[in-house]
Amino acid sequence: AQRVTQPEKLLSVFKGAPVELKCNYSYSGSPELFWYVQYSRQRLQLLLRHISRESIKGFTADLNKGETSFHLKKPFAQEEDSAMYYCALRGGATNKLIFGTGTLLAVQP
Amino acid sequence: NAGVMQNPRHLVRRRGQEARLRCSPMKGHSHVYWYRQLPEEGLKFMVYLQKENIIDESGMPKERFSAEFPKEGPSILRIQQVVRGDSAAYFCASSPPGSPREQFFGPGTRLTVL
Repeated sequence: AQRVTQPEKLLSVFKGAPVELKCNYSYSGSPELFWYVQYSRQRLQLLLRHISRESIKGFTADLNKGETSFHLKKPFAQEEDSAMYYCALRGGATNKLIFGTGTLLAVQP
Repeated sequence: NAGVMQNPRHLVRRRGQEARLRCSPMKGHSHVYWYRQLPEEGLKFMVYLQKENIIDESGMPKERFSAEFPKEGPSILRIQQVVRGDSAAYFCASSPPGSPREQFFGPGTRLTVL
């Protein structure tokens, strides 16, 4: 079965602290993994995708096929990073996304 | 480009009524996706449409729900005889033709069934 698991509903850190938002997936083929972010009162937007291997707003995520994980990391959190973060998987031919339940990141001053 | 538009943003219906949710994709986008987010859950895929065609409706409930994306006009998600369990946020996304196809999301419609 295709599934995305985000074990933490809430992650609270202080400004300047490292951040790691966990994401594990279950998929039998070769998935594409994404991180989406939703800031307060804004729409869901793509943060990064594993095939790009890029860093956006200081965030990076590496696909670990052995551990079936795609954790999102940032070395120094900023207050403006506070948002809801969703990990998503795309598999199969129809382009549909399978989302995790999301993690609310709260960065304290 | 105004982005994906959804209306209404909030919709209140009584049990048994019909709900119609509209989605206008971004200019040049010919693919539309509908997702539903129940309280305390992630977004769940419902249906994927291209103009005048349903490509994948594997996430649609078997009864009362239907979707269309006509040649002209917005995509419509229709829920007949709504029940309290239909209360949720419904998100639409669109993507352009070609690959890779990033999905751009609308602001969502929050449906409340009384």
